Amino acid sequence: DAMVIQNPRYQVTQFGKPVTLSCSQTLNHNVMYWYQQKSSQAPKLLFHYYDKDFNNEADTPDNFQSRRPNTSFCFLDIRSPGLGDAAMYLCATQEGVSNQPQHFGDGTRLSIL
Amino acid sequence: QKEVEQNSGPLSVPEGAIASLNCTYSDRGSQSFFWYRQYSGKSPELIMSIYSNGDKEDGRFTAQLNKASQYVSLLIRDSQPSDSATYLCAVNRQLTFGSGTQLTVLP
Repeated sequence: DAMVIQNPRYQVTQFGKPVTLSCSQTLNHNVMYWYQQKSSQAPKLLFHYYDKDFNNEADTPDNFQSRRPNTSFCFLDIRSPGLGDAAMYLCATQEGVSNQPQHFGDGTRLSIL
Repeated sequence: QKEVEQNSGPLSVPEGAIASLNCTYSDRGSQSFFWYRQYSGKSPELIMSIYSNGDKEDGRFTAQLNKASQYVSLLIRDSQPSDSATYLCAVNRQLTFGSGTQLTVLP
């Protein structure tokens, strides 16, 4: 019944070793978002896709990249993870240009060794 | 000035009481407002959305919006221990979040 699915739920990587987090959706929503949430902080928007149009937030580090090969899937790539990148990464989807709420996945908790 | 500000908390209320959570926002053109509940280690879960001035009720939850004063609030009636969580106020399509208010309902 899950509509926004993030894999894996927990990811451990080494300092500087590239890592990819994935998100898939069954809602057929046009818009997909990636947020970073650190402990006791609010989620922070990294970037979003409107269909294939990529929109990067101004303060998102260059170390973070994203791919959306089709409507259903979106990936977050961290090219050289640092200790400060340890966080929960949340994927969310939204329908078109509406003001409807976003639907969140369960998140991936990333740890850096 | 932060775009979305919430009363910082933590907030503790006894079981059965009313919990009141407040949020102010800076963008006067904001159109959509959301309250999310987030349990520790879990993703945010939508509990209320509101788009027009006034009150919107859903079960034990009431959202109140006042665009002239640029605030939105959430009232939780008959608070239960299961309501203990962090409540996030979010504004607009791309969800600018407040920092959250941690609510504890004491049995």
